[in-house]
Amino acid sequence: DARVTQTPRDKVTEMGQEVTMRCQPILGHNTVFWYRQTMMQGLELLAYFRNRAPLDDSGMPKDRFSAEMPDATLATLKIQPSEPRDSAVYFCASGFGTSGSAPEETQYFGPGTRLLVL
Amino acid sequence: GQNIDQPTEMTATEGAIVQINCTYQTSGFNGLFWYQQHAGEAPTFLSYNVLDGLEEKGRFSSFLSRSKGYSYLLLKELQMKDSASYLCALTKAAGNKLTFGGGTRVLVKP
Repeated sequence: DARVTQTPRDKVTEMGQEVTMRCQPILGHNTVFWYRQTMMQGLELLAYFRNRAPLDDSGMPKDRFSAEMPDATLATLKIQPSEPRDSAVYFCASGFGTSGSAPEETQYFGPGTRLLVL
Repeated sequence: GQNIDQPTEMTATEGAIVQINCTYQTSGFNGLFWYQQHAGEAPTFLSYNVLDGLEEKGRFSSFLSRSKGYSYLLLKELQMKDSASYLCALTKAAGNKLTFGGGTRVLVKP
């Protein structure tokens, strides 16, 4: 049963520390998305990649956030330095959406990383 | 930009039917998704509409009217496990990012 995996599942850190979140997309998917969910803002896109190339990172604060895909099986989201306002659940999702037809356009979400910055 | 509106909360009785509406205004539109999210869990895919009309999948159906910027998700024969948030989301192009509405929390009571 193919799934998106994310590590760590939970992270508590202090303000100013670096946080790295990892995502393994479903094998064969060519698009990886990073979303953030908070009570106030809901689910919002931070960045996404297609075939490992960044397509859109306009939702990401560039001064402290960075997203990369070192290879097709790993995506990373890094926050440095972290701040209390970064506390949220960070979801990675993957898909294979270039044909314009469901279910290929469907994005499958990982379990999320719950981040708490004190 | 995009504007997506859904009711914040709905309550219904086990065995009943609930309809969750989603209205949107967007400068570009490709398709509309519905996701279910249980508390503390990840969103899971429910349905996708790209053409006008009704898509039925078991107890769940989704409807889209592109000209009216309107969709609804219909949940029939409600079960307690259907208590969750239901998220409406748009894409502007195939394989593109999802822009989510705020979600509708549905509470199913016995």
